[in-house]
Amino acid sequence: NAGVTQTPKFQVLKTGQSMTLQCAQDMNHEYMSWYRQDPGMGLRLIHYSVGAGITDQGEVPNGYNVSRSTTEDFPLRLLSAAPSQTSVYFCASSYWGGTNEQFFGPGTRLTVL
Amino acid sequence: EDKVVQSPLSLVVHEGDTVTLNCSYEVTNFRSLLWYKQEKKAPTFLFMLTSSGIEKKSGRLSSILDKKELFSILNITATQTGDSAVYLCALYTGNQFYFGTGTSLTVIP
Repeated sequence: NAGVTQTPKFQVLKTGQSMTLQCAQDMNHEYMSWYRQDPGMGLRLIHYSVGAGITDQGEVPNGYNVSRSTTEDFPLRLLSAAPSQTSVYFCASSYWGGTNEQFFGPGTRLTVL
Repeated sequence: EDKVVQSPLSLVVHEGDTVTLNCSYEVTNFRSLLWYKQEKKAPTFLFMLTSSGIEKKSGRLSSILDKKELFSILNITATQTGDSAVYLCALYTGNQFYFGTGTSLTVIP
Protein backbone atom coordinates (compact mmCIF):
# COMPACT_ATOMS: atom_id res chain seq x y z
CA ASN A 1 0.00 0.00 0.00
CA ALA A 2 1.94 3.04 -1.28
CA GLY A 3 -0.68 5.61 -0.26
CA VAL A 4 -0.48 8.84 -2.30
CA THR A 5 2.49 9.18 -4.63
CA GLN A 6 3.62 12.24 -6.56
CA THR A 7 6.19 12.72 -9.29
CA PRO A 8 8.48 14.48 -9.80
CA LYS A 9 9.80 15.59 -6.39
CA PHE A 10 11.52 18.64 -7.88
CA GLN A 11 11.13 20.48 -11.18
CA VAL A 12 12.56 23.63 -12.73
CA LEU A 13 10.74 25.15 -15.69
CA LYS A 14 11.25 28.18 -17.87
CA THR A 15 8.42 30.65 -18.33
CA GLY A 16 6.02 29.40 -20.99
CA GLN A 17 6.90 25.74 -20.72
CA SER A 18 4.24 23.16 -19.99
CA MET A 19 4.38 20.15 -17.72
CA THR A 20 2.24 17.63 -15.88
CA LEU A 21 2.52 16.81 -12.20
CA GLN A 22 1.53 13.23 -11.55
CA CYS A 23 -0.52 11.98 -8.60
CA ALA A 24 -1.67 8.45 -7.89
CA GLN A 25 -3.33 6.71 -4.95
CA ASP A 26 -3.98 3.05 -4.24
CA MET A 27 -6.59 3.39 -1.50
CA ASN A 28 -9.63 3.45 -3.82
CA HIS A 29 -10.46 6.98 -2.66
CA GLU A 30 -13.14 8.81 -4.60
CA TYR A 31 -11.96 12.29 -3.63
CA MET A 32 -8.67 13.69 -4.89
CA SER A 33 -7.38 17.23 -4.79
CA TRP A 34 -4.43 19.46 -5.62
CA TYR A 35 -3.10 22.22 -3.37
CA ARG A 36 -0.34 24.73 -3.63
CA GLN A 37 1.51 25.94 -0.58
CA ASP A 38 3.30 29.27 -0.54
CA PRO A 39 5.06 30.91 2.42
CA GLY A 40 2.54 32.57 4.72
CA MET A 41 -0.42 31.44 2.60
CA GLY A 42 -1.22 28.00 3.92
CA LEU A 43 -2.63 25.34 1.60
CA ARG A 44 -4.86 26.63 -1.20
CA LEU A 45 -7.07 24.32 -3.21
CA ILE A 46 -6.47 24.36 -6.97
CA HIS A 47 -8.80 21.65 -8.32
CA TYR A 48 -10.58 18.67 -6.90
CA SER A 49 -12.41 15.58 -8.09
CA VAL A 50 -15.12 13.49 -6.44
CA GLY A 51 -14.76 10.57 -8.84
CA ALA A 52 -13.58 9.48 -12.26
CA GLY A 53 -14.81 11.89 -14.91
CA ILE A 54 -15.78 14.59 -12.39
CA THR A 55 -13.61 17.60 -11.61
CA ASP A 56 -14.24 21.06 -10.20
CA GLN A 57 -12.35 24.23 -9.44
CA GLY A 58 -11.04 25.25 -6.06
CA GLU A 59 -9.86 28.63 -4.79
CA VAL A 60 -6.96 29.19 -7.25
CA PRO A 61 -7.63 27.28 -10.51
CA ASN A 62 -6.27 29.77 -13.06
CA GLY A 63 -3.34 28.44 -15.09
CA TYR A 64 -4.00 24.81 -14.18
CA ASN A 65 -5.96 21.97 -15.79
CA VAL A 66 -6.92 18.58 -14.41
CA SER A 67 -8.62 15.44 -15.60
CA ARG A 68 -9.68 12.24 -13.83
CA SER A 69 -9.93 9.30 -16.19
CA THR A 70 -9.39 6.66 -13.48
CA THR A 71 -10.03 6.46 -9.74
CA GLU A 72 -6.29 6.11 -9.09
CA ASP A 73 -4.79 9.01 -11.06
CA PHE A 74 -5.28 12.77 -10.92
CA PRO A 75 -2.67 14.67 -12.97
CA LEU A 76 -2.25 18.45 -12.78
CA ARG A 77 -1.25 20.26 -15.95
CA LEU A 78 0.45 23.61 -16.24
CA LEU A 79 -0.15 24.77 -19.82
CA SER A 80 2.17 27.79 -19.86
CA ALA A 81 4.21 28.11 -16.68
CA ALA A 82 4.62 31.50 -15.03
CA PRO A 83 6.94 32.58 -12.18
CA SER A 84 3.82 33.07 -10.00
CA GLN A 85 3.35 29.31 -10.14
CA THR A 86 6.57 28.70 -8.24
CA SER A 87 5.34 26.80 -5.22
CA VAL A 88 5.15 23.44 -3.47
CA TYR A 89 2.31 21.32 -4.81
CA PHE A 90 0.55 18.66 -2.76
CA CYS A 91 -1.90 16.06 -3.95
CA ALA A 92 -4.31 14.54 -1.45
CA SER A 93 -7.00 11.89 -1.43
CA SER A 94 -9.81 10.71 0.83
CA TYR A 95 -13.13 8.92 0.79
CA TRP A 96 -15.94 11.20 -0.34
CA GLY A 97 -18.88 11.91 1.86
CA GLY A 98 -18.83 11.46 5.58
CA THR A 99 -16.36 13.48 7.54
CA ASN A 100 -13.08 12.68 5.81
CA GLU A 101 -9.45 12.49 6.72
CA GLN A 102 -7.22 13.48 3.79
CA PHE A 103 -3.98 11.68 3.00
CA PHE A 104 -1.27 13.80 1.42
CA GLY A 105 1.44 12.95 -1.08
CA PRO A 106 5.06 13.98 -0.43
CA GLY A 107 4.82 17.12 -2.57
CA THR A 108 6.47 18.53 -5.70
CA ARG A 109 8.65 21.61 -5.43
CA LEU A 110 8.28 23.59 -8.65
CA THR A 111 10.41 26.56 -9.65
CA VAL A 112 9.52 28.64 -12.72
CA LEU A 113 12.29 30.91 -13.95
CA GLU B 1 -11.95 36.91 3.30
CA ASP B 2 -10.28 34.00 5.09
CA LYS B 3 -12.65 31.27 6.11
CA VAL B 4 -10.21 29.77 8.61
CA VAL B 5 -7.98 31.91 10.82
CA GLN B 6 -5.30 30.47 13.06
CA SER B 7 -3.54 32.17 15.94
CA PRO B 8 -0.91 32.82 16.93
CA LEU B 9 1.03 32.80 13.65
CA SER B 10 4.12 31.60 15.47
CA LEU B 11 5.07 30.53 18.94
CA VAL B 12 8.37 29.78 20.68
CA VAL B 13 8.28 27.82 23.94
CA HIS B 14 10.63 25.80 26.14
CA GLU B 15 10.46 22.07 26.52
CA GLY B 16 7.88 21.11 29.11
CA ASP B 17 5.61 24.09 28.47
CA THR B 18 1.94 23.71 27.57
CA VAL B 19 0.66 25.44 24.44
CA THR B 20 -2.77 26.22 23.09
CA LEU B 21 -3.27 26.80 19.38
CA ASN B 22 -6.42 28.46 18.12
CA CYS B 23 -8.49 28.00 15.00
CA SER B 24 -11.51 30.21 14.33
CA TYR B 25 -13.74 29.97 11.31
CA GLU B 26 -16.67 31.65 9.64
CA VAL B 27 -18.22 28.68 7.82
CA THR B 28 -21.18 27.40 9.83
CA ASN B 29 -22.24 24.52 7.60
CA PHE B 30 -19.37 22.06 7.56
CA ARG B 31 -18.94 18.34 8.14
CA SER B 32 -15.70 18.26 10.09
CA LEU B 33 -12.76 20.27 11.37
CA LEU B 34 -9.35 18.67 11.04
CA TRP B 35 -5.93 19.32 12.56
CA TYR B 36 -2.67 18.43 10.79
CA LYS B 37 1.01 18.60 11.72
CA GLN B 38 3.51 19.60 9.05
CA GLU B 39 7.26 19.13 9.52
CA LYS B 40 9.03 20.34 6.35
CA LYS B 41 7.09 17.81 4.29
CA ALA B 42 3.51 16.68 3.73
CA PRO B 43 0.91 17.36 6.43
CA THR B 44 0.10 14.42 8.67
CA PHE B 45 -3.31 13.93 10.26
CA LEU B 46 -3.82 14.56 13.98
CA PHE B 47 -7.53 14.91 14.77
CA MET B 48 -10.93 15.12 13.19
CA LEU B 49 -13.74 16.84 15.11
CA THR B 50 -17.38 16.78 14.21
CA SER B 51 -19.28 17.36 17.44
CA SER B 52 -19.12 20.36 19.69
CA GLY B 53 -17.76 19.91 23.21
CA ILE B 54 -16.29 16.44 22.76
CA GLU B 55 -12.54 16.37 23.41
CA LYS B 56 -10.31 14.20 21.26
CA LYS B 57 -7.06 13.05 22.87
CA SER B 58 -3.91 11.39 21.64
CA GLY B 59 -1.11 11.23 24.16
CA ARG B 60 -0.04 14.78 25.03
CA LEU B 61 -2.26 16.31 22.34
CA SER B 62 -5.93 17.12 22.69
CA SER B 63 -8.45 19.12 20.74
CA ILE B 64 -11.98 20.38 21.15
CA LEU B 65 -14.52 22.07 18.93
CA ASP B 66 -16.98 24.81 19.91
CA LYS B 67 -19.61 25.14 17.19
CA LYS B 68 -21.48 27.89 19.00
CA GLU B 69 -18.46 30.19 19.23
CA LEU B 70 -16.98 28.95 15.92
CA PHE B 71 -13.54 27.88 17.07
CA SER B 72 -11.36 24.92 17.89
CA ILE B 73 -8.26 24.62 20.04
CA LEU B 74 -5.34 22.23 19.95
CA ASN B 75 -3.54 21.72 23.25
CA ILE B 76 -0.08 20.23 23.61
CA THR B 77 1.12 19.49 27.13
CA ALA B 78 4.72 18.82 28.24
CA THR B 79 6.05 19.95 24.86
CA GLN B 80 9.08 18.24 23.33
CA THR B 81 11.47 19.37 20.58
CA GLY B 82 9.78 16.86 18.29
CA ASP B 83 6.59 18.91 18.53
CA SER B 84 8.27 21.70 16.54
CA ALA B 85 6.22 22.00 13.35
CA VAL B 86 3.52 23.98 11.63
CA TYR B 87 0.05 23.03 12.83
CA LEU B 88 -2.73 23.40 10.28
CA CYS B 89 -6.45 23.60 10.83
CA ALA B 90 -8.90 22.78 8.02
CA LEU B 91 -12.65 22.74 7.49
CA TYR B 92 -14.30 20.12 5.32
CA THR B 93 -17.57 21.32 3.80
CA GLY B 94 -18.45 18.17 1.87
CA ASN B 95 -16.72 19.21 -1.35
CA GLN B 96 -13.81 21.39 -0.36
CA PHE B 97 -11.25 21.65 2.39
CA TYR B 98 -10.37 25.16 3.57
CA PHE B 99 -7.04 25.47 5.36
CA GLY B 100 -5.80 28.15 7.70
CA THR B 101 -2.30 29.57 7.27
CA GLY B 102 -1.04 27.56 10.22
CA THR B 103 0.73 28.17 13.51
CA SER B 104 4.49 27.64 13.54
CA LEU B 105 5.56 26.11 16.85
CA THR B 106 9.20 26.01 17.91
CA VAL B 107 10.12 24.12 21.07
CA ILE B 108 13.51 25.06 22.53
CA PRO B 109 15.41 22.45 24.60
